[in-house]
Amino acid sequence: NAGVTQTPKFRILKIGQSMTLQCTQDMNHNYMYWYRQDPGMGLKLIYYSVGAGITDKGEVPNGYNVSRSTTEDFPLRLELAAPSQTSVYFCASSREVAYEQYFGPGTRLTVT
Amino acid sequence: LAKTTQPISMDSYEGQEVNITCSHNNIATNDYITWYQQFPSQGPRFIIQGYKTKVTNEVASLFIPADRKSSTLSLPRVSLSDTAVYYCLVGSTRGRRALTFGSGTRLQVQP
Repeated sequence: NAGVTQTPKFRILKIGQSMTLQCTQDMNHNYMYWYRQDPGMGLKLIYYSVGAGITDKGEVPNGYNVSRSTTEDFPLRLELAAPSQTSVYFCASSREVAYEQYFGPGTRLTVT
Repeated sequence: LAKTTQPISMDSYEGQEVNITCSHNNIATNDYITWYQQFPSQGPRFIIQGYKTKVTNEVASLFIPADRKSSTLSLPRVSLSDTAVYYCLVGSTRGRRALTFGSGTRLQVQP
């Protein structure tokens, strides 16, 4: 099993551009999560999903959108990128909430 | 969701036992306590989870007193490779609401 995969690994965006961060898991997990982590800080939950077709806001959802059309995929969309969105983005999945989360390798995003 | 409080940082030396305490005063009946470890440039990795008393695995032990208002992650005989950030999370496996990570405890192990 590949676990949780994320693409791209790195990306530089100009202010105002848009992009989609991809996340796929092959463990048939119900829950999937998107976090951002700024330098030297903890993880902040952006959005999560409890299953296909169901998403919920986390702590910092503004400026982002998500969808969950399949169990495996949970893309994160950035519209009108801003410098404040410069961060490392981690995707994770778990069988149920509060169960062990498996993390992807992260996407390092810079907005200039 | 139960709010957790951890020390911001800790220092230790190789070979010592390290105990990191997490306070969670408003823990609910159905809540479990979970600890994660994060190395630089990597996503967090699950270490251990428990509900009450003591849980031990090949990496760590988790001590939870009877009132469950705190928990202690114990790392025996740490090495330089244990230098990382450690997060305590509290939440129910029955609910639907996702847990939050907080700021964690930065452990620095010196030679």
